Order: sequence, then structure tokens, then C-alpha cells
Amino acid sequence: GENVEQHPSTLSVQEGDSAVIKCTYSDSASNYFPWYKQELGKRPQLIIDIRSNVGEKKDQRIAVTLNKTAKHFSLHITETQPEDSAVYFCAASYSNYQLIWGAGTKLIIKP
Amino acid sequence: GAVVSQHPSWVICKSGTSVKIECRSLDFQATTMFWYRQFPKQSLMLMATSNEGSKATYEQGVEKDKFLINHASLTLSTLTVTSAHPEDSSFYICSAFGQGDNSPLHFGNGTRLTVT
Repeated sequence: GENVEQHPSTLSVQEGDSAVIKCTYSDSASNYFPWYKQELGKRPQLIIDIRSNVGEKKDQRIAVTLNKTAKHFSLHITETQPEDSAVYFCAASYSNYQLIWGAGTKLIIKP
Repeated sequence: GAVVSQHPSWVICKSGTSVKIECRSLDFQATTMFWYRQFPKQSLMLMATSNEGSKATYEQGVEKDKFLINHASLTLSTLTVTSAHPEDSSFYICSAFGQGDNSPLHFGNGTRLTVT
């Protein structure tokens, strides 16, 4: 079955700098890769997603890149702000039925 | 956009009692809903997949007799934690894909369960 690995588990960056979180997946049939942001005690919120027919997608300060050959995808946050502090989860799916989740990355933005 | 409503948002119960958590899709029909448990500082752990009109599919290690799931309609799934114990204290979240092939996964607000 699918397995998703996410790194790093904790990432601390200076406000204004960029943050990159990486995930790898094992099942080459996976075709949908969302990223969720979860603030403490709240539900995960979808921030961006990408499908396997696209290599990169951008939404303002957030971008996701996908390398199907290497089976990895990354979340890029530029010009980080304090409100970006949260836990970020990547996931992969091949059936649009069930997501396989990464372990999460705690992002800390230092003022 | 698609909204998933979960109730209650928090509950405190005594050990040995049962607690029911409801998950509703407010503006779409959800034939499948997912129930997750999340311990502090950990990832979402899928407990079971709730299927409307049929039995739920439980993940390995999840006791189906302890975590009863009922999905009686296209908009409502319930999770009942039976004979709750302190180790069942956790954050429980339901989710469902919206309608349409490319619809993302939408989450309820979660239920913080504390068993004393």
C-alpha cells in the first residue's frame, strides 16, 4: 500500500524567509497530493493541492512542486509570516477515496 | 463550499460511559465519511471509513465493538465511543470528500473527548 514520509518534523525559520517541507510517496499510482494546515486545536484546512498531470502549482506565497519520477512533492512558503506557524500535513491518494497522511511538520516562524 | 459539521466540539465523560459524536455534511451528500483520531503533537490516524447503508471499514488495531459507527443517511455519520476509558481521551475528527471528482477532503471541527 501507499506510504508517505514527511520531513522535517520541525522547521524553524526567521520571519520573512522561505520554508520548504518535503514528502515522498511509495505508490506510483498516486495522483492527488494535498497539503493541509492545522492550527492548534483546530481542524486541518486545505491550503493547496496538486494532481499528477501538473508539475507545479502556485497560490500567492504558497507553491507545491511534484516530481513524479522521484515520487516526491514539496510545499514552499515564501515571505513567511507569524500566522504561518502551524502544523502542516502532506497526503497522497490514488483513488480519491482515501488519503495517506504524512506525519506532519511543525513550522515555527521566529519574529 | 462544502461544509462538514461535527458535534459536540468537546465533551467530558466519566469512565465506563458512552459518548456519541455526530458528523454531518451540510450542503452535499457524502456516501463515505472518514473518522480520525489525533493525539497531541501527532498526525491524523484513520480509524475507520464510514459507508452509507453498509458496515464501516475499520483500520487495523481499531476495535469495532468499542468504536461504533453508523452511517444511516447520506448526510450523517455517528461515532460512538462505548465504555470509554481515560486512554480514549483524544481529538476525534470526521471528514468527507465533497461532490465532484476533484473535490478536496473537508474536515469537521473535531471533538475533544476527555474521559475522567
